[in-house]
Amino acid sequence: GQQVMQIPQYQHVQEGEDFTTYCNSSTTLSNIQWYKQRPGGHPVFLIQLVKSGEVKKQKRLTFQFGEAKKNSSLHITATQTTDVGTYFCAGLTNSGGSNYKLTFGKGTLLTVNP
Amino acid sequence: DTAVSQTPKYLVTQMGNDKSIKCEQNLGHDTMYWYKQDSKKFLKIMFSYNNKELIINETVPNRFSPKSPDKAHLNLHINSLELGDSAVYFCASSRWDSPNYGYTFGSGTRLTVV
Repeated sequence: GQQVMQIPQYQHVQEGEDFTTYCNSSTTLSNIQWYKQRPGGHPVFLIQLVKSGEVKKQKRLTFQFGEAKKNSSLHITATQTTDVGTYFCAGLTNSGGSNYKLTFGKGTLLTVNP
Repeated sequence: DTAVSQTPKYLVTQMGNDKSIKCEQNLGHDTMYWYKQDSKKFLKIMFSYNNKELIINETVPNRFSPKSPDKAHLNLHINSLELGDSAVYFCASSRWDSPNYGYTFGSGTRLTVV
């Protein structure tokens, strides 16, 4: 079945350092989504990338979708303590009609030392 | 004004019992899901319903039975609970007619089987 791999599993940084998490799918994706889950919370949708090679920015966060639509990355510039949480990528595939499936990577837990 | 609400938030029960988790969304979304998040934070799709019709049924024991009385509700009934069922169960909903929408998750139900 379709798999979405995400690395690293954990990342600890000093406040102000940059952070990147990478996502790779075994199959071509319709789109890739990114979510953030704070400790004890629920996944919250951040962004969706649809086009090959797409790059989107949200303040200090930069999201990229690979040319082959099989890989993606999330980069955070100058991390802050509010960035703490688990970042998940999720790849969307469609096997016909309304049969969409969103498969999550295992997430990267980011901790930030103030 | 909660968009996706799940009840109960916590559920502690003994092995062998039967329990239900309820989910309701007021976003007007067409599709609803159940995800299981294990102790390692891995989010795995269990079921997906589109307009009350079962779309995705992953390899889940048939002790788990979803029911969707209408497109705003998706409940999960679990028979003969086992220790391995302990996890956080998230309900989510989505729509597909806009490129900028992802999934909206409920706050989760932490199930502990003792």
